[in-house]
Amino acid sequence: DGGITQSPKYLFRKEGQNVTLSCEQNLNHDAMYWYRQDPGQGLRLIYYSQIVNDFQKGDIAEGYSVSREKKESFPLTVTSAQKNPTAFYLCASSMGPTGGGNQPQHFGDGTRLSIL
Amino acid sequence: QQQVKQSPQSLIVQKGGISIINCAYENTAFDYFPWYQQFPGKGPALLIAIRPDVSEKKEGRFTISFNKSAKQFSLHIMDSQPGDSATYFCAASKYTDKLIFGTGTRLQVFP
Repeated sequence: DGGITQSPKYLFRKEGQNVTLSCEQNLNHDAMYWYRQDPGQGLRLIYYSQIVNDFQKGDIAEGYSVSREKKESFPLTVTSAQKNPTAFYLCASSMGPTGGGNQPQHFGDGTRLSIL
Repeated sequence: QQQVKQSPQSLIVQKGGISIINCAYENTAFDYFPWYQQFPGKGPALLIAIRPDVSEKKEGRFTISFNKSAKQFSLHIMDSQPGDSATYFCAASKYTDKLIFGTGTRLQVFP
């Protein structure tokens, strides 16, 4: 059953701590994305990657880092520099440019991050 | 110019009624307009999408109306059901570029 798996579902961070959110897809998609969701603000793009070993900053990249060493994996690290990390984090994937333009994005079920 | 403005923020509809959510955009280069549905604790799922060469697209009870000259598009949910209670997001993009999302509409359908 193809899809996107995000883990953990809930995560707690202490002050000054880095935490890493996992995102794995078995859809054979080239492009992957990380969004942050806050109440009343919709989905804001943190980072995206259209191909392995390459990624670009989104609208709110400060305090976050990513890697894309494998096609199926796109982990997000929330660093201690992110002063307001409490949010719902969503990972998505799409066929990307190789599938032609305007491919739909498929989302995981998110990770809810809170500060202890 | 990259924003997509969505309204209303919340919507309460009686079962069997019509739910209407509106979105407006500025960038005339946008050529793909999807709607996503999100249930609590879940990720958004693609509901229906339209391209600017058509003025309307219908899938079951869900219809997108598109007005290119006004740079507006809307989602109509006919015969709204309690199971339609969710948050709905409009979005827009141009070709292979990233999606720009609206701020979401929380729909509640009461029996």
